[in-house]
Amino acid sequence: EVQLVESGGGLIQPGGSLTLSCAASTFSVSSNFMSWVRQAPGKGLEWVSIIYSAGDTYYADSVKGRFIISRDNSKNTLYLQMNSLRADDTAVYYCARERGGIYGMDVWGQGTTVTVSS
Amino acid sequence: DIQLTQSPSFLSASVGDRVSITCRASQGISSFLVWYQQKPGKAPKLLIFGASTLQSGVPSRFSGSGSGAEFTLTISSLQPEDFATYYCQQANIYPLTFGGGTKVEIK
Repeated sequence: EVQLVESGGGLIQPGGSLTLSCAASTFSVSSNFMSWVRQAPGKGLEWVSIIYSAGDTYYADSVKGRFIISRDNSKNTLYLQMNSLRADDTAVYYCARERGGIYGMDVWGQGTTVTVSS
Repeated sequence: DIQLTQSPSFLSASVGDRVSITCRASQGISSFLVWYQQKPGKAPKLLIFGASTLQSGVPSRFSGSGSGAEFTLTISSLQPEDFATYYCQQANIYPLTFGGGTKVEIK
């Protein structure tokens, strides 16, 4: 079964940093487009960032300059480094395989919860 | 940014009903429209991509239509497992954006 497993969430104070991980099994993170999507409590889905197989990256305006998406090909793992965290970054963070173009995100992790609070 | 407006935001229906959800984009996005289903506490699930192509394994009672700026997700005969929240997403331009969601509940 194709699977993504996120980890690294937790409680962090405003202004702090946290790095989320997303480990893939049965497919290569480096050969696919990979996205992060978040969902604040009781709210809808918000796209956060994407990394292309070629390494290009894109970010939502709300996280640009604060978050960094990356991957470790040897570990087949996707990361989201989150800096200068704010209360409105509180959300469940999902990683997803993005097939590109019209195809959407077909494989999702279970999500990891980030709570930014003092 | 491209805004996606879903309607209705809430829908109450019975098992066996035919239901439709509309997603309107603030500008044309060709067929770069994806639909997801999300159940409480779970990750979203891809239902339809390219506005009208059913993802493998998704029941045929789900269908999508539209192009340009107006799209529709239809469930031909609502089943108990279909009660969930549905989101549209545009895949045409960054930033990728989602609609606000439509919650389908049991009448």
